[in-house]
Amino acid sequence: GAVVSQHPSRVICKSGTSVKIECRSLDFQATTMFWYRQFPKQSLMLMATSNEGSKATYEQGVEKDKFLINHASLTLSTLTVTSAHPEDSSFYICSARDLEYRQGDTEAFFGQGTRLTVV
Amino acid sequence: SQQGEEDPQALSIQEGENATMNCSYKTSINNLQWYRQNSGRGLVHLILIRSNEREKHSGRLRVTLDTSKKSSSLLITASRAADTASYFCATDFEDNQGGKLIFGQGTELSVKP
Repeated sequence: GAVVSQHPSRVICKSGTSVKIECRSLDFQATTMFWYRQFPKQSLMLMATSNEGSKATYEQGVEKDKFLINHASLTLSTLTVTSAHPEDSSFYICSARDLEYRQGDTEAFFGQGTRLTVV
Repeated sequence: SQQGEEDPQALSIQEGENATMNCSYKTSINNLQWYRQNSGRGLVHLILIRSNEREKHSGRLRVTLDTSKKSSSLLITASRAADTASYFCATDFEDNQGGKLIFGQGTELSVKP
């Protein structure tokens, strides 16, 4: 299957600093990528849909200025957690669907996730 | 926002037994997908069932879909210790702009050797 690479897998940062997480689709082009957040033993909560070349679409309750999303190319989306606080500590996962999605039903491919700890 | 409910939330069985997980959703869908997640890792796609399909098989996995009840089930037969993981259903709902998936709450499966 297709591969989505997410980096870093773990990051520890100090309160007030910003952290950037990268999500790359390695062998297909993704006009759309998705960012999820997951708390321990809970499900994935969709944060935003990242659209190549345009502004991201955020889900209700997600702060746009806190979680900056950039999708500059068909293979790369980045999530920047700005002015991080301990409550931002979580597991962040990205996913992508192939451009062929619009021609039929397709699965989503997920990165391995990033464990963010803010101290 | 999540639209899927799953039960049970946790399931513990012995190796060799079958495991059944259920998922309910709220809106009309294009398809429903099941994913597996090992602890602290990303998700792996297991199977996709379209809205016009009622049952689908893949190896030891069997998925059913009842659109009238807005529910789906995942059956894992002859379970193995390596099946221990969390399992999530995800819906690709109608009028879905851009293909986002909405996940259910998940079932944590523990298979004891």
